Amino acid sequence: NAGVTQTPKFQVLKTGQSMTLQCAQDMNHNSMYWYRQDPGMGLRLIYYSASEGTTDKGEVPNGYNVSRLNKREFSLRLESAAPSQTSVYFCASSGDRGDGPQHFGDGTRLSIL
Amino acid sequence: EDQVTQSPEALRLQEGESSSLNCSYTVSGLRGLFWYRQDPGKGPEFLFTLYSAGEEKEKERLKATLTKKESFLHITAPKPEDSATYLCAVLYGGSQGNLIFGKGTKLSVKP
Repeated sequence: NAGVTQTPKFQVLKTGQSMTLQCAQDMNHNSMYWYRQDPGMGLRLIYYSASEGTTDKGEVPNGYNVSRLNKREFSLRLESAAPSQTSVYFCASSGDRGDGPQHFGDGTRLSIL
Repeated sequence: EDQVTQSPEALRLQEGESSSLNCSYTVSGLRGLFWYRQDPGKGPEFLFTLYSAGEEKEKERLKATLTKKESFLHITAPKPEDSATYLCAVLYGGSQGNLIFGKGTKLSVKP
């Protein structure tokens, strides 16, 4: 029962470097999401994809880009990493046209020096 | 302003000591309220969905209830393994992006 798989689990970057966080789900869900979780801030939505071929901004999209590669995969890219993007990133997916519960991966812990 | 507030921020219980966690919300057009459990170093794990006022859901020692303004997560006779952070999230309005998470309640259950 893989559910939602995120890679890598940990990453350290230098300011200005770029990287892509990968996410894949095996639940045949249409909707996928990227969040960041910071101490005292709760989970905040970065981008989401309601279906294959569509993406929309969430609460905190600046500095990020996303790609819905196919129904299973949704990637998050940091083009030029900044220390303010140090966080734990979670990917999630949901069925039921987005009204159902979201199922989360175990996160990517990203530090930017 | 649309918002979700959880209280208390932290709760320490003795094993067997029942209590409740609160999630109050102010949003327009509630579509669903979700409860999650999050263990350190892990992603949130789905517990319950509530869609309308008066609805209740139960699972083992946990029971979730919903009114028009708030939801409660009741924990009956908790055990140390119930220790975790409990998150609530509210889906509202017409967009799938309209999902607000509360900051969570960190529950510690001592033997």
